[in-house]
Amino acid sequence: GAVVSQHPSWVICKSGTSVKIECRSLDFQATTMFWYRQFPKQSLMLMATSNEGSKATYEQGVEKDKFLINHASLTLSTLTVTSAHPEDSSFYICSANDRGSEHFGDGTRLSIL
Amino acid sequence: QQPVQSPQAVILREGEDAVINCSSSKALYSVHWYRQKHGEAPVFLMILLKGGEQKGHEKISASFNEKKQQSSLYLTASQLSYSGTYFCGTERRAAGNKLTFGGGTRVLVKP
Repeated sequence: GAVVSQHPSWVICKSGTSVKIECRSLDFQATTMFWYRQFPKQSLMLMATSNEGSKATYEQGVEKDKFLINHASLTLSTLTVTSAHPEDSSFYICSANDRGSEHFGDGTRLSIL
Repeated sequence: QQPVQSPQAVILREGEDAVINCSSSKALYSVHWYRQKHGEAPVFLMILLKGGEQKGHEKISASFNEKKQQSSLYLTASQLSYSGTYFCGTERRAAGNKLTFGGGTRVLVKP
């Protein structure tokens, strides 16, 4: 089946650091990938839609300059959390659609000290 | 608009059944069901596209009503491995294939 790989799985860093998260579709091409954020015991909230070769589409309330998205190829999207602060600590998950089914990466747990 | 899931949580004995509902105020293009274990990413269970459709995966099945505004997930003869949080993700064609997730239903299956 379709596999989406996300890296790293866990990041702990100091406040002010920028963190890059990678999302790869391993056995299919994805012109669109989605980035979600999930706080403990809450639902997945869509942050942005990553579009290959063009600008990402951000959901209302998500800061574009804070969460930089790059979708440079049909198999790779990256999310960079710039100048991260403790309130950015969360579980970040990417997904990609393969023939109508949405497949998630394993998620990245981000902890900002 | 976020779909409404109910119940918010349910505790079952192994072998018991449960139903999880997912409702939208507007007609949907599709409904996707996922299960998420603690600390892990959601795992795809099934997708429903047609009004009146029913689909099954082992002893977990789902239905999509004729108006395509409500879907139900059925856990039959629950197993310990069914524990987790179940999310429905809904897709409206106008939203460009984006999924909007319900608040989740926590399921705990006890021996």
